[in-house]
Amino acid sequence: DTGVSQDPRHKITKRGQNVTFRCDPISEHNRLYWYRQTLGQGPEFLTYFQNEAQLEKSRLLSDRFSAERPKGSFSTLEIQRTEQGDSAMYLCASSYTGSLEAFFGQGTRLTVV
Amino acid sequence: KQEVTQIPAALSVPEGENLVLNCSFTDSAIYNLQWFRQDPGKGLTSLLLIQSSQREQTSGRLNASLDKSSGRSTLYIAASQPGDSATYLCAVRPPPPGGTSYGKLTFGQGTILTVHP
Repeated sequence: DTGVSQDPRHKITKRGQNVTFRCDPISEHNRLYWYRQTLGQGPEFLTYFQNEAQLEKSRLLSDRFSAERPKGSFSTLEIQRTEQGDSAMYLCASSYTGSLEAFFGQGTRLTVV
Repeated sequence: KQEVTQIPAALSVPEGENLVLNCSFTDSAIYNLQWFRQDPGKGLTSLLLIQSSQREQTSGRLNASLDKSSGRSTLYIAASQPGDSATYLCAVRPPPPGGTSYGKLTFGQGTILTVHP
């Protein structure tokens, strides 16, 4: 499968725990995006990388959230001290410079109990 | 700030009907508009992408139109089938700052489509 891959697909965690998600973009794509989608809503932009540089972060990305893309390939999104309001689907997408569209992964469903 | 609205929020139709999903956006200065399909608990599948200079795009039974000046797009589905049941999302991409668009999308809340046999 050469699409965008996200791991894990589902994560249940207790409030206050830290969680980390991984995204592997399509191999030749240099741009990577994270979105968050709550139930019944469309996805909302969180952050964007071009290669290893994080070029934009949404105000939705509080200081409990951190994203990295250390070698310009895969990316991780970490949430510290999770809250119930963090329960959502976290979607990753990738594209390459000059492309008109981004390709999305299957998402990671986070449930904070 | 760009806002995208989709109407209706939900739609239930019998198999075989032609149907129209609507999307409106508040800032007409867009680079392109994209329609996605999302099955329950899954990621997004791109259906059609319309550049701001285009009026419509077609793929199989799907046709998407764009009226940028009025801030509207429609997705037309012909001869609907139960397999078309899903949430349909539209999203707009802003014009490129400095000449390069990096693809940040603003989404509507989606239309939940149910096609019953």
